[in-house]
Amino acid sequence: EPEVTQTPSHQVTQMGQEVILRCVPISNHLYFYWYRQILGQKVEFLVSFYNNEISEKSEIFDDQFSVERPDGSNFTLKIRSTKLEDSAMYFCASLGNMNTEAFFGQGTRLTVV
Amino acid sequence: AQSVTQLDSQVPVFEEAPVELRCNYSSSVSVYLFWYVQYPNQGLQLLLKYLSGSTLVKGINGFEAEFNKSQTSFHLRKPSVHISDTAEYFCAVSEPGGYQKVTFGTGTKLQVIP
Repeated sequence: EPEVTQTPSHQVTQMGQEVILRCVPISNHLYFYWYRQILGQKVEFLVSFYNNEISEKSEIFDDQFSVERPDGSNFTLKIRSTKLEDSAMYFCASLGNMNTEAFFGQGTRLTVV
Repeated sequence: AQSVTQLDSQVPVFEEAPVELRCNYSSSVSVYLFWYVQYPNQGLQLLLKYLSGSTLVKGINGFEAEFNKSQTSFHLRKPSVHISDTAEYFCAVSEPGGYQKVTFGTGTKLQVIP
């Protein structure tokens, strides 16, 4: 069964460093998303991406964040200068044109120290 | 804008007892509704979904949910829980069509007591 894969599963980074979280969506899917879950809290929408551009972003997705689809398979989330409060589980998701629900990856746990 | 309310942050229940986890939503248009389960330190697993048609939806692990449009609810039920059902459960909503951003509720921690 096709699945969304995320790497790494856990990343530890120092405050102020740049970090890139990687996702391989399901091939032939067209819509891509990043969500965030701070420990003990709900899953929050960050950004959606379609046709090589951002289609919607939340208030959380400020100038420190960027997304990219550098090739035909990867979808990345970059945090330019990490803060302690960026520590969270980050989920990637993708949706096909004929699908009714997004498929989520297993997440990357980001710890900023 | 769509939103989801899960009023119960924690629900303790004895093993083999029935359980209901409550979810209410609001949206100005028709919706798709989902329940996800998250086991400790793991990702999100889809339990079940309502898209259209029959209001009673059956999912994995013996769970079911009923869509009630008049009460804007989508409560999750299981007639007899197991220890292995201990997890956090998230209700979620999206709007059909387009890029379908998913909005999650705050989650309900189900604790099954032996």
